[in-house]
Amino acid sequence: GAGVSQSPRYKVAKRGQDVALRCDPISGHVSLFWYQQALGQGPEFLTYFQNEAQLDKSGLPSDRFFAERPEGSVSTLKIQRTQQEDSAVYLCASSFDRGPAFFGQGTRLTVV
Amino acid sequence: GDSVTQMEGPVTLSEEAFLTINCTYTATGYPSLFWYVQYPGEGLQLLLKATKADDKGSNKGFEATYRKETTSFHLEKGSVQVSDSAVYFCALSPDTGRRALTFGSGTRLQVQP
Repeated sequence: GAGVSQSPRYKVAKRGQDVALRCDPISGHVSLFWYQQALGQGPEFLTYFQNEAQLDKSGLPSDRFFAERPEGSVSTLKIQRTQQEDSAVYLCASSFDRGPAFFGQGTRLTVV
Repeated sequence: GDSVTQMEGPVTLSEEAFLTINCTYTATGYPSLFWYVQYPGEGLQLLLKATKADDKGSNKGFEATYRKETTSFHLEKGSVQVSDSAVYFCALSPDTGRRALTFGSGTRLQVQP
């Protein structure tokens, strides 16, 4: 596709449920980032991939958060045993080498 | 660590008014600086960028100059339109190490006809 695609756009999860969020980056983009955006705040870094290698996961808030990009293209962010404080918009961005990042529209996660 | 501070919003202007949104940063070395815009119902879009001191980024009538001496990257536009109503985020990317963007908290702009 022409841009970064994320699915689902909206997800409602019961507390304790596991969720998986998908990101399809722009074709050919080697770098992929995940960010978390709380309501009224700027995005905060979660993790970074270069191709299939996860080079930085320092922003993941707990061991309940896990991300993968097994073939260097599509990435999945998984949150286990969701809690209310996980409610946020999860943004994926991709870039070619050190170029500017292009963002998807995000997945809005609501934990009830 | 790195940080970005933006003026709080909302900023409410009449059409054709002059816009300034202040942004200052804290970072070591020479980060790249960005402005992103988020229109209602849409994702973040890169508006403009500057990669070294005294560079001016510009796009769609918006401008921002990388000021190393004041660690600032203020966004300006000479004449805003209703269609400019959006949330604007200032961000930086370090020149070494972690490549992730550090964002400010965003400034909502509302332009009234």
